[in-house]
Amino acid sequence: DAMVIQNPRYQVTQFGKPVTLSCSQTLNHNVMYWYQQKSSQAPKLLFHYYDKDFNNEADTPDNFQSRRPNTSFCFLDIRSPGLGDAAMYLCATSSFFTDRSYEQYFGPGTRLTVT
Amino acid sequence: GESVGLHLPTLSVQEGDNSIINCAYSNSASDYFIWYKQESGKGPQFIIDIRSNMDKRQGQRVTVLLNKTVKHLSLQIAATQPGDSAVYFCAENNRIKAAGNKLTFGGGTRVLVKP
Repeated sequence: DAMVIQNPRYQVTQFGKPVTLSCSQTLNHNVMYWYQQKSSQAPKLLFHYYDKDFNNEADTPDNFQSRRPNTSFCFLDIRSPGLGDAAMYLCATSSFFTDRSYEQYFGPGTRLTVT
Repeated sequence: GESVGLHLPTLSVQEGDNSIINCAYSNSASDYFIWYKQESGKGPQFIIDIRSNMDKRQGQRVTVLLNKTVKHLSLQIAATQPGDSAVYFCAENNRIKAAGNKLTFGGGTRVLVKP
């Protein structure tokens, strides 16, 4: 049973052309995260939503934006992708209202290629 | 701090042998420590966690050891199997006031199981 779904799995975009990645979840978790993972590196948190509250990491470029229209869906918008934005983008969820609020459930990721 | 590097440390292990993966963490205030397994092309998958007030926790074929004195975490995999081949990441969890939890990932280790 898919719990955290990311679409598309592979995305190719052109330099400077806006792109949107999507994430949906069936877990009804109140927290959703977006990570960037470059080759052979650890996932790096870009931002997260705690309910409707957006929390940006200090070093996340302005080029990256996010929207969460409802509990189930969250989007990552890259306004003007550069070659350095090519990476795997991971969505994760967690529930703050459980004993295991620290446990994050990850989707399969979207691999973004910038040409 | 964030892992910056083009090459992951690799542990080659013979099938059936035990594996030990090590990790150094940075924040002594972290409340939970978690190990994730990431197979090629997939999102990280939760393996085991340990609370900061414990020094050892066992799961099925896995054991996590926590040494707070030297800020060191290790994952032991017993009787390593081909399906254990993956990249393993440690992560430390911290609560963020009014914003849930945040995971900070350490550098990964690639485990290659030789038949």
